[in-house]
Amino acid sequence: AAGVIQSPRHLIKEKRETATLKCYPIPRHDTVYWYQQGPGQDPQFLISFYEKMQSDKGSIPDRFSAQQFSDYHSELNMSSLELGDSALYFCASRRQANYGYTFGSGTRLTVV
Amino acid sequence: AQSVAQPEDQVNVAEGNPLTVKCTYSVSGNPYLFWYVQYPNRGLQFLLKYITGDNLVKGSYGFEAEFNKSQTSFHLKKPSALVSDSALYFCAVRAFSYSGAGSYQLTFGKGTKLSVIP
Repeated sequence: AAGVIQSPRHLIKEKRETATLKCYPIPRHDTVYWYQQGPGQDPQFLISFYEKMQSDKGSIPDRFSAQQFSDYHSELNMSSLELGDSALYFCASRRQANYGYTFGSGTRLTVV
Repeated sequence: AQSVAQPEDQVNVAEGNPLTVKCTYSVSGNPYLFWYVQYPNRGLQFLLKYITGDNLVKGSYGFEAEFNKSQTSFHLKKPSALVSDSALYFCAVRAFSYSGAGSYQLTFGKGTKLSVIP
């Protein structure tokens, strides 16, 4: 069965650089969620999209932005990276009116 | 605000013994509860969920969870632990947020590290 695909799996960036993380949801899933998991932390909700519109916003820094495209894939853009942005970034997708959330394997971002 | 709490940072159990990972919740309205497992440097894998119906929910890999409304708990259980069950376990609740257009997002507990000792 198709799963949520995230790319890249690993990313190393220097401080003040930018990074773009991509998420490809399961086919026919119309909702995408982004989470950030710091070392030894629980996943924290960043932002979500439903039908290409932002539906909710959590603890996402102003330096980050995201969007969902017409093919439902989503991208998380991160600028002016800081050391504290080093984390595992998860994308999850689901279909509205369905209770199942499927997570991708995550992108591990390391800022040096 | 809706939340879940996992009171134990770590649980150690001998292989073959039953295991329990605890979770309590605080929600307004009917709770929608989930358990996920995370292996080192891996994503979150779905184990089971409670939406409605039978209080005993059976999930993947022989895990089950018991929903207890009076105790506001949703403990994860397995009759006989395997070494391969050693991982980080997260309890989560589906919470509706009214920010923006609103969405049903998952709010996670802090996680419990399960170590199964051979």
